Amino acid sequence: AQRVTQPEKLLSVFKGAPVELKCNYSYSGSPELFWYVQYSRQRLQLLLRHISRESIKGFTADLNKGETSFHLKKPFAQEEDSAMYYCALGGSYDKVIFGPGTSLSVIP
Amino acid sequence: NAGVTQTPKFQVLKTGQSMTLQCAQDMNHEYMSWYRQDPGMGLRLIHYSVGAGITDQGEVPNGYNVSRSTTEDFPLRLLSAAPSQTSVYFCASSTGRQKNTEAFFGQGTRLTVV
Repeated sequence: AQRVTQPEKLLSVFKGAPVELKCNYSYSGSPELFWYVQYSRQRLQLLLRHISRESIKGFTADLNKGETSFHLKKPFAQEEDSAMYYCALGGSYDKVIFGPGTSLSVIP
Repeated sequence: NAGVTQTPKFQVLKTGQSMTLQCAQDMNHEYMSWYRQDPGMGLRLIHYSVGAGITDQGEVPNGYNVSRSTTEDFPLRLLSAAPSQTSVYFCASSTGRQKNTEAFFGQGTRLTVV
């Protein structure tokens, strides 16, 4: 079965501090992992996907198949990073499963 | 660019009433889906469709019906609204040809059932 867990419901960090949002998944096949972000009063939007191996807005995420993790990291948090972050698993053609989300608050 | 459009944005229903949440996309995407967003539970898949005429159930399909008569539209019907269906509903679409494709979301419909 496909499953995504995000252990932290809320995460608060100070501006300039490093931030790591955790994501673990379970899937028996070859997974495709994503991070989506929802800023206040805006729709969900893709932040990054593991296959692209890109850095978006200073965020990076590495897929660790051994630990079945896809943690999102940024070395220096900014106030505009405050948002709801969802990890998502595209394990099959027809289903994308989202985790419960982590609300990130960056304290000035 | 319109992208994914959901209507209405807000709705209040009485228990037992029925209604349809509308979703339309203008990107010629094959794959469309409905999620509900609840605090602490994230986004849960209700129903999805991989193309016109094809629909299937997600994680939490009970109490909801869908149909996909055209590529553009994917309405979600609440047959007999219950307070447990109070939630924010999101429609999403993607090309669906590869499992690493980006999903585009609508603005959401905030539904309250009293």
